[in-house]
Amino acid sequence: DAKTTQPPSMDCAEGRAANLPCNHSTISGNEYVYWYRQIHSQGPQYIIHGLKNNETNEMASLIITEDRKSSTLILPHATLRDTAVYYCIVRVDISSGSARQLTFGSGTQLTVLP
Amino acid sequence: DSGVTQTPKHLITATGQRVTLRCSPRSGDLSVYWYQQSLDQGLQFLIQYYNGEERAKGNILERFSAQQFPDLHSELNLSSLELGDSALYFCASSGQGVAGNTIYFGEGSWLTVV
Repeated sequence: DAKTTQPPSMDCAEGRAANLPCNHSTISGNEYVYWYRQIHSQGPQYIIHGLKNNETNEMASLIITEDRKSSTLILPHATLRDTAVYYCIVRVDISSGSARQLTFGSGTQLTVLP
Repeated sequence: DSGVTQTPKHLITATGQRVTLRCSPRSGDLSVYWYQQSLDQGLQFLIQYYNGEERAKGNILERFSAQQFPDLHSELNLSSLELGDSALYFCASSGQGVAGNTIYFGEGSWLTVV
């Protein structure tokens, strides 16, 4: 799976949008971009994933650049409960073979400030 | 609630002992994954099972073993425990087909070796 690069930490004011960047310049055509978060010592929580198109769900939006070499996770109205480590992970599509594990990097520590 | 259940939530044991961690995947999920998270390291993939068979192996020590039973629950066995084995152990599961693209994590089992 392709390697990802994220800033180690970011701050965001409560109520504002949090934009978390991720670089994945070596991503392959059959690799998805996944975002998970881990609130202190809890199990990682799935947020969203996408292949080419922008995706949105009840938690966040995922913007993937046209060349797929980077993406941005957007939390539209950050709250204090969004303070967590956010992981950007690239993983091959399951249709290419059996389901594979997620490989976690260091992630971005997002701190939402009151 | 991800639907992945892990027991026990907390466990304290002495060096040299053996423990078993149990995981019940989400209903219908065939893949089970085990991860270790210690204080000084990130989330490390240990092993994956799919419908009872080992599918992928990561940084799992020889003192550790796992299995997945016919009812799809899984157990992680840790033996000859050392102080450095103290960590959070997460189980995760995923489904078949497109559903297998999303992996859901349990809340973890805290293991303290004294």
